[in-house]
Amino acid sequence: GAVVSQHPSRVICKSGTSVKIECRSLDFQATTMFWYRQFPKQSLMLMATSNEGSKATYEQGVEKDKFLINHASLTLSTLTVTSAHPEDSSFYICSASGQGAREQYFGPGTRLTVT
Amino acid sequence: GESVGLHLPTLSVQEGDNSIINCAYSNSASDYFIWYKQESGKGPQFIIDIRSNMDKRQGQRVTVLLNKTVKHLSLQIAATQPGDSAVYFCAENSGGYQKVTFGTGTKLQVIP
Repeated sequence: GAVVSQHPSRVICKSGTSVKIECRSLDFQATTMFWYRQFPKQSLMLMATSNEGSKATYEQGVEKDKFLINHASLTLSTLTVTSAHPEDSSFYICSASGQGAREQYFGPGTRLTVT
Repeated sequence: GESVGLHLPTLSVQEGDNSIINCAYSNSASDYFIWYKQESGKGPQFIIDIRSNMDKRQGQRVTVLLNKTVKHLSLQIAATQPGDSAVYFCAENSGGYQKVTFGTGTKLQVIP
């Protein structure tokens, strides 16, 4: 299957700082990438959908100015958590789909801890 | 809004037995369903999918059954192994949209 990577796998940052998470599709062109957040013992909640070269579409309740998403190429999307606070601590997971495809390939996730 | 949910949050199964994980969905427009396996600290891993024009689909040791009449989806794992221990999510997608909605998840514990 297709491979999606995320970097970093774990990050600890101080409250008030910003942190960037990268999501890369390694062996296919990802026209659409998705960002999810998962709290402990809970399901994945979609945060936003991004199409290459377009602005991301955010789900209701997700602050677009706080969670900045960039999908500048067909293999890379980034999520920047700005002015992070402890309540932003979570497991962030990206997924990617090819043109017209319904299958999503998931990255390994990034554990963010805000102290 | 529309949602996808699971009946059981935790399922304990003896090694070698068959496992059945259930999922109920409410969006009648859903036409594509996926089962994912998520191990602790990792991203979801695709297991098997099924489209609404099918009732059953088999993979290696796994079978997905779809009952559109009662909006029910199940994942059967044959000869469950310790490596099958994980959280399993069903997810649904409705035609024309790539966005996927995840269910609440079932934790499968395999007893050696």
